[in-house]
Amino acid sequence: AQSVTQLDSQVPVFEEAPVELRCNYSSSVSVYLFWYVQYPNQGLQLLLKYLSGSTLVKGINGFEAEFNKSQTSFHLRKPSVHISDTAEYFCAVINPTGNNNDMRFGAGTRLTVKP
Amino acid sequence: DGGITQSPKYLFRKEGQNVTLSCEQNLNHDAMYWYRQDPGQGLRLIYYSQIVNDFQKGDIAEGYSVSREKKESFPLTVTSAQKNPTAFYLCASRTFSGNTIYFGEGSWLTVV
Repeated sequence: AQSVTQLDSQVPVFEEAPVELRCNYSSSVSVYLFWYVQYPNQGLQLLLKYLSGSTLVKGINGFEAEFNKSQTSFHLRKPSVHISDTAEYFCAVINPTGNNNDMRFGAGTRLTVKP
Repeated sequence: DGGITQSPKYLFRKEGQNVTLSCEQNLNHDAMYWYRQDPGQGLRLIYYSQIVNDFQKGDIAEGYSVSREKKESFPLTVTSAQKNPTAFYLCASRTFSGNTIYFGEGSWLTVV
């Protein structure tokens, strides 16, 4: 079965600085990868996803992620963050040939953007 | 607008009482899910359903029950057997052929 590890539980950063949130996955088969964002007391919103093709994926709010098969990583990046980016970010993986239950989430990374 | 509606947003219950969280979707999605979220632990799957009148246990099903009598509805009952029910509960759905899970806004359950 696949699994996801988010390497940082908390990432503090100053406004307008770049940020990288790290995600590594393990799987014996090809997978789809996702990043979701969660604002306080809300559900999860899809930021971006990798299914196939170009390894650089662009999402909403200026975020992008790069799929690296050799390093089994899918790190999320933004070149310049805003206060409004403060939220919890979740990396997730799904086996496209598996059951509908087979989506696994990381423990989350809390991004705090300081003025 | 299409989406997933969870209710209530906040719920307080006494120990020993059963409580039911509602989840309704108008996206015509086939599969529906319930996740539990605790701080620092990410999301854990409670139950999922791929079609009407069928559902499967997830990783932490003990103390919970569900039903799927209609395609658009997937209510979750937190029973008195759940030892630590205070948490944030998230409902989600997707199509059979879809690759993305969409989430509702969540429900906070506090047991006092």
